[in-house]
Amino acid sequence: AQSVAQPEDQVNVAEGNPLTVKCTYSVSGNPYLFWYVQYPNRGLQFLLKYITGDNLVKGSYGFEAEFNKSQTSFHLKKPSALVSDSALYFCAVSDRGRGSTLGRLYFGRGTQLTVWP
Amino acid sequence: GAVVSQHPSWVICKSGTSVKIECRSLDFQATTMFWYRQFPKQSLMLMATSNEGSKATYEQGVEKDKFLINHASLTLSTLTVTSAHPEDSSFYICSAPLTGAASGANVLTFGAGSRLTVL
Repeated sequence: AQSVAQPEDQVNVAEGNPLTVKCTYSVSGNPYLFWYVQYPNRGLQFLLKYITGDNLVKGSYGFEAEFNKSQTSFHLKKPSALVSDSALYFCAVSDRGRGSTLGRLYFGRGTQLTVWP
Repeated sequence: GAVVSQHPSWVICKSGTSVKIECRSLDFQATTMFWYRQFPKQSLMLMATSNEGSKATYEQGVEKDKFLINHASLTLSTLTVTSAHPEDSSFYICSAPLTGAASGANVLTFGAGSRLTVL
């Protein structure tokens, strides 16, 4: 079964500092991995995804994530955090099955990022 | 870009009544839509996959008769919570693949969600 784990419920960083939001996964075969962000009263927004190729994936708003197969991790990073980055971040893994299971996303529990001025 | 609209965004109902939530793809057609439920401070739980023109595929543990899903057209999927009870109170979110069809690598676009409160 596909699953992801986000070990931290909360991450707090000062503006301008680098941030990391952790994610580990458990899948059979090669994973499709995603990061989404949820702002209050808004739908989830796609940040980036790893399908294949370069382990370092760059996404929206200056975020990037590194796929590490040996550690089964896909941590989200940003070199310099902004107060506006404060939101709920979700890591997700896609079901690469067939038929009715194809394309389903399974989410981690989410990590609340707070960037303080 | 592709937009998914949900309605209503807020609904309050009495216990025992049924509530319908609509999910529309506004500028694209979606043969597949996904319904999620989000509890406070918890992850999104996939409830079911809605397939246009066929029956929905429910995740294990989700009651099919409680959560009725209909995907009658390429732009509309509905979730009906039947005989709602307070424990059904939650935040329900729908999503659709950006290309309209399911694939493992596809990015999903999400609706803003519908908050259901059952009194």
